[in-house]
Amino acid sequence: DAKTTQPTSMDCAEGRAANLPCNHSTISGNEYVYWYRQIHSQGPQYIIHGLKNNETNEMASLIITEDRKSSTLILPHATLRDTAVYYCTLYNNNDMRFGAGTRLTVKP
Amino acid sequence: SAVISQKPSRDICQRGTSLTIQCQVDSQVTMMFWYRQQPGQSLTLIATANQGSEATYESGFVIDKFPISRPNLTFSTLTVSNMSPEDSSIYLCSVVGDPTWGQFFFGPGTRLTVL
Repeated sequence: DAKTTQPTSMDCAEGRAANLPCNHSTISGNEYVYWYRQIHSQGPQYIIHGLKNNETNEMASLIITEDRKSSTLILPHATLRDTAVYYCTLYNNNDMRFGAGTRLTVKP
Repeated sequence: SAVISQKPSRDICQRGTSLTIQCQVDSQVTMMFWYRQQPGQSLTLIATANQGSEATYESGFVIDKFPISRPNLTFSTLTVSNMSPEDSSIYLCSVVGDPTWGQFFFGPGTRLTVL
């Protein structure tokens, strides 16, 4: 069973920041928060992950609340190519399970 | 990182037949994972395949229906047996790069249609 909940869909204007929320209220202390995206039935692509601290890489930023019960993926300047399904998952000990994800549509 | 290839990329099969999907990784990995993605749905873990031992299946998946082989550290196969239209899905192979913090890499998937 998925341990994360996400909005079913979101829209974002091209060039604006896309903020994708995820709730994981039952997260345990040793579980990492992972974000993947899947573009039109390709294999999922890793975006970013974190444990407690906020993280940033060339693709995105990950903001994790202090109590770790929720997080937000930020795409700072969304492009049309960022249109995809975004999955927030929890990982621990070789166990990675996917929830329903958020379908992000970036519009011109 | 790990580069994963799958064969076939897609297939159309008749009900009652079986299809074996191959997964090849460009580096040695301890654990390989098989996921199923039904049309319009998220990914569901089928089983975990360790080299040298029996695969571990998730609830709702059984070895008779989805036998898995793992002959070495770079290769695995998943067979979908006695297929029905409900088996029409994308089947994805995955490996974890570093089990300590668990970045997963996914193959491109095999799109299976059962008529």
